[in-house]
Amino acid sequence: QVQLVQSGPEVKKPGASVKVSCKASGYRFITSHIHWVRQAPGQGLEWMGIINPSTGSTIYAQNFQGRVTMTRDTSTSTVNMELNSLRSEDTAVYYCTRANSAWGGALDIWGQGTMVTVSS
Amino acid sequence: EFVLTQSPGTLSLSPGERATLSCRASQIFSSTYLAWYQQKPGQAPRLLIYGASSRATGIPDRFSGSGSGTDFSLTISRLEPEDFAVYYCQQYNNWPRTFGQGTKLEIK
Repeated sequence: QVQLVQSGPEVKKPGASVKVSCKASGYRFITSHIHWVRQAPGQGLEWMGIINPSTGSTIYAQNFQGRVTMTRDTSTSTVNMELNSLRSEDTAVYYCTRANSAWGGALDIWGQGTMVTVSS
Repeated sequence: EFVLTQSPGTLSLSPGERATLSCRASQIFSSTYLAWYQQKPGQAPRLLIYGASSRATGIPDRFSGSGSGTDFSLTISRLEPEDFAVYYCQQYNNWPRTFGQGTKLEIK
């Protein structure tokens, strides 16, 4: 079945970097854009950016410009999200999610989420 | 930036009742690019409605979406116990993509 499987939880110190991976299966990887969305504890959903798995092109939210990098590996159908210069406010669950092009880009498949904790 | 404002923040209803959730945009945009998601504690969001009114695969017909311009709504015709959750609207027409702040639907 169509699914996105993310890497496991991470604990990082302030100033460090974290890389979260998202492996796609059950569909043709290069045909659907992947978004990253995060959710701080008890808070709402925050859009971080998007990557086109076919071309590798990205668009990042202004809040994360200069700190986030999204990449893809077509040989393993995996996208990665790296966030640098971590601070306590980056503690959140990070989700990758697929944009369904037939539905205009609505986010139809979500990964299980990866908890990233930033603490000294 | 497109701002989506959801109301109410919390809605307290009983199973069997009808729920209407609102999502208002700061600017007019095409209803083709408005979605609703449901999120339960400890779970990833689930797509319910896309294009303002089309149900995603497997979504029961008690869920319906409507609206255009700047005002959109999600209606649950008859609440089931499993429907109590947080609901988010999202626009995917403009950059950055934005979500509403959410409406918590709780059991009265």
